[in-house]
Amino acid sequence: DAKTTQPTSMDCAEGRAANLPCNHSTISGNEYVYWYRQIHSQGPQYIIHGLKNNETNEMASLIITEDRKSSTLILPHATLRDTAVYYCIVRVVSRGSQGNLIFGKGTKLSVKP
Amino acid sequence: DGGITQSPKYLFRKEGQNVTLSCEQNLNHDAMYWYRQDPGQGLRLIYYSQIVNDFQKGDIAEGYSVSREKKESFPLTVTSAQKNPTAFYLCASSIAASMDEQFFGPGTRLTVL
Repeated sequence: DAKTTQPTSMDCAEGRAANLPCNHSTISGNEYVYWYRQIHSQGPQYIIHGLKNNETNEMASLIITEDRKSSTLILPHATLRDTAVYYCIVRVVSRGSQGNLIFGKGTKLSVKP
Repeated sequence: DGGITQSPKYLFRKEGQNVTLSCEQNLNHDAMYWYRQDPGQGLRLIYYSQIVNDFQKGDIAEGYSVSREKKESFPLTVTSAQKNPTAFYLCASSIAASMDEQFFGPGTRLTVL
């Protein structure tokens, strides 16, 4: 079972920030938070990941609460092409562990004109 | 261009036939994975390989087989023993198992008639 809880769906107006929440209340100290997205009928695409500090890259920002029990993915200026299912995943990152990603059902983000 | 490819995009087979899905990567990644996705669901791990000539079962390996004779190739065979083979199959790779983000191929949609 996935270790994360996400809303089933969200809407966002084009050009506005999209804030996607994720709860991971049972996260362990050695587990990272990863975000992927999947546009319809395509393979998932990596977005960002973090351990406890906030992270930013060219695609998005990741805000992790101090207790690490929840996080928020922020798309600063959503476009229609950001419409996708967004997956929040927690995983151990250490050599020798299985390494697979456990995907839940994610949040379907619809960006509207 | 470096990347991960899967072929074909769509595949139709009659019930009772084995079918092999192709996955190739030229990213020089050690680890490769096969996932299955059913409509409206997240991804589930079928098999993974951390290094050439080695592979392990994932969560839903029954009715599937793999080989890893070359670093760049990780074909998946869906056998007649798989009770519900119609699904979207995704292949992924990473530099090393569990250490890095995974890159996904475009997927193969298998329909068994």
